[in-house]
Parts: sequence; structure tokens; C-alpha cells
Amino acid sequence: AQTVTQSQPEMSVQEAETVTLSCTYDTSESDYYLFWYKQPPSRQMILVIRQEAYKQQNATENRFSVNFQKAAKSFSLKISDSQLGDAAMYFCAYNNAGNMLTFGGGTRLMVKP
Amino acid sequence: NAGVTQTPKFRILKIGQSMTLQCTQDMNHNYMYWYRQDPGMGLKLIYYSVGAGITDKGEVPNGYNVSRSTTEDFPLRLELAAPSQTSVYFCASRYGLTEAFFGQGTRLTVV
Repeated sequence: AQTVTQSQPEMSVQEAETVTLSCTYDTSESDYYLFWYKQPPSRQMILVIRQEAYKQQNATENRFSVNFQKAAKSFSLKISDSQLGDAAMYFCAYNNAGNMLTFGGGTRLMVKP
Repeated sequence: NAGVTQTPKFRILKIGQSMTLQCTQDMNHNYMYWYRQDPGMGLKLIYYSVGAGITDKGEVPNGYNVSRSTTEDFPLRLELAAPSQTSVYFCASRYGLTEAFFGQGTRLTVV
């Protein structure tokens, strides 16, 4: 079974600064997908970014980018120019070949004005 | 499109009662999932389905049952509710490996 670990229960960043959220996963598969989801206080789950394991290039979506290290099984999320609206729970998720989608325990991000 | 609709939004159950959490999607998605989220924690996969008639266990299936008789519906059944099943339940769907769409969640309390 796959496991997804987020080792930072809470992170804090100053508005306009950059923060990196960590995620590691355990798998024996070579083909899979990784995702970062954001959950604001409304409880709605919002996709932030996705990465295909076969792609060497790191995914980027505006202020959000990932550092995907396949050999190390690491998938960190970098948020640049942090905004107050970025404050939320962030979940890393792993999708296996059988389309089972599993989530890490989450990181609560606080943004200080 | 309504997206993923979960009912009810809130429910209080007594220990030993049973209930069904409903989930419907109108996007013709083949994959559907049920998760539970305990306070301050991540999402734990209960069951998932890759298409009508096909279901599979996730990380925490004990105490739950599912069925997938149609593409649209994926109900989650709780038999003999226990306090440990107090949680927020999320249903999600997607097509292939695209973005998963989530319902608004059902807050269940077992007393």
C-alpha cells in the first residue's frame, strides 16, 4: 500500500514571501501521478497542481511550483509571493496505477500580513 | 452541472443505528471515492470505484459498505454506527487521471 507523508503539521510565512511544503511518498510503482490540493476553512477541496511521474520537468501553475525528485520519492510545493488567501490546509496526494487516490496528513499554512 | 452532490450535510446518529450517505455526480465520471476526515487530520480513503459494478477497499473500509449500480451514484452505508465513525465524509469523482471534484462533505456525529 502506498503511504504519503507530510512532515510539517504547520507552516507560517510572511505575506509576499516564499514557502515550501514537503511531501514524501512510498511506492514500488514507476508510473503514477502526484497532486497538491488546498482546503480552505470552507472545507472545499481545490486542486493546486499535478505532476506526472514520467515527466522530468517540474509542474508550474502561476505562483505554485513543485520540486519532484522521483528517486528520493519527494514532491514539495513552493508558493511564491504568498498571499493572505493562500492560508489553508494543503494536502499532497498520490495516485497509483489502479487509480486509488491517497492523501497525506496535511500541512496547515498560515500567512502573516 | 451540479458537480458532486452529497446528502445529508449534517447528521447525528445514535450508537448502533445505521444510515446511508448519498453521493451523486452528473459529470459522467468513471472514478468515485469516499473519504473520511477526522478533525485536523488528512483524508483517509474508505472505498473507491473505477466504474459501475466495480468497487474496492481503501485504507479504512471496516464498518462501511458501498455499491455502484450506476455511473452517477455511489452511496456509503454505515451499519451499527460507532463513536469512532464521527467524522466529516467526502465523496469525490473524476474522469481518468484528471482533477478530482469533491462534494461539500457530510458532518456525522455518533453519540
